Amino acid sequence: SQQGEEDPQALSIQEGENATMNCSYKTSINNLQWYRQNSGRGLVHLILIRSNEREKHSGRLRVTLDTSKKSSSLLITASRAADTASYFCATMGLYSGAGSYQLTFGKGTKLSVIP
Amino acid sequence: DGGITQSPKYLFRKEGQNVTLSCEQNLNHDAMYWYRQDPGQGLRLIYYSQIVNDFQKGDIAEGYSVSREKKESFPLTVTSAQKNPTAFYLCASTGGGGTQYFGPGTRLLVL
Repeated sequence: SQQGEEDPQALSIQEGENATMNCSYKTSINNLQWYRQNSGRGLVHLILIRSNEREKHSGRLRVTLDTSKKSSSLLITASRAADTASYFCATMGLYSGAGSYQLTFGKGTKLSVIP
Repeated sequence: DGGITQSPKYLFRKEGQNVTLSCEQNLNHDAMYWYRQDPGQGLRLIYYSQIVNDFQKGDIAEGYSVSREKKESFPLTVTSAQKNPTAFYLCASTGGGGTQYFGPGTRLLVL
């Protein structure tokens, strides 16, 4: 089964509102990453948070990580229509192997931002 | 202009045919990956390669084959043994640190 599970599966908000997506995982991790995918395109890396970090910011993005609950959240503030996309969390296992950098992806949250 | 390219954008496969998807990167990355994405689903790992002339099976390798003869190239062959090949195929690479860089994808359809 997949490591990460995003919640909700779909989210629809008005432009200017904040969007929050959650990710839960099952085993110990080295890091957790968030990616964005526009329809029919490849994934784009947004942010990486290591297991010893609790919060990280990048522009309008804020990611939190709670390793005790095995969960993470992605907050997009002041959303724009251009933020419409699917968002995936991906985890790198604690014992992924030297040089492996394998990621396990969740099923994603589909975000729609209405102008 | 650095990045990962995949070709073709769309590929049609006839019954019993093998088809090859191309993935090339000029990022000088050692590790490369192939994923399969089905509608409304996340990515599932097919094969990965950490170094030239070496590759490992992922979670859903059956019906697929790969080669890694050059650092820049990691082609994926979808064989006739793959009974449900219709999907979006994504190639990625990483140079370290864990961040993966993705190509634009190839959509494979069965005639």
